[in-house]
Amino acid sequence: AQSVTQLDSQVPVFEEAPVELRCNYSSSVSVYLFWYVQYPNQGLQLLLKYLSGSTLVKGINGFEAEFNKSQTSFHLRKPSVHISDTAEYFCAVSVGNFNKFYFGSGTKLNVKP
Amino acid sequence: DAGVIQSPRHEVTEMGQEVTLRCKPISGHDYLFWYRQTMMRGLELLIYFNNNVPIDDSGMPEDRFSAKMPNASFSTLKIQPSEPRDSAVYFCASSSRLDGPYEQYFGPGTRLTVT
Repeated sequence: AQSVTQLDSQVPVFEEAPVELRCNYSSSVSVYLFWYVQYPNQGLQLLLKYLSGSTLVKGINGFEAEFNKSQTSFHLRKPSVHISDTAEYFCAVSVGNFNKFYFGSGTKLNVKP
Repeated sequence: DAGVIQSPRHEVTEMGQEVTLRCKPISGHDYLFWYRQTMMRGLELLIYFNNNVPIDDSGMPEDRFSAKMPNASFSTLKIQPSEPRDSAVYFCASSSRLDGPYEQYFGPGTRLTVT
């Protein structure tokens, strides 16, 4: 079975500081990797995705993620966060028929002024 | 496009009552997914459809849950009878192979409270 682990349930950070949200997955086959963001009382919105090619993927709102196959990781980073980045972030993996997503448990990013 | 539309946004019902959640996917999308989100279990896939046909319902918790997709623009998730442990936020998402690959677009969710 596939699994996605988000090691940190909550990450507090000050505004304009850098942040990294960690994601590890378990799969022995090729995967597609995604990061979604959920703002309070809203649905999930795609931040970025890795399908193939360059391991560094850039997304919306200044976020980027790096696919590391040997470490089976797909960590999300932003060099300088804003108050508006306060939200919950979900890592997801799709394998096999690529229609079924496996989501991590989420990381709540709390940006403080 | 209006995005994925879900109704109602909030539902409060008493234990034992029937609950029906509704979803309109993005026009032209051929995949539709139902998810449930709770604090304890996170985001769980309940069932998904391809071209209106249920493909994988292994996540449906029990026989009290049923989902239908009578046409390409409408799906329902029904709980009968409802129980307090069904309280959660239910999301619908849709995707299209043509937009590929496989990015899912989520609706705003229905917050269900069963008392």
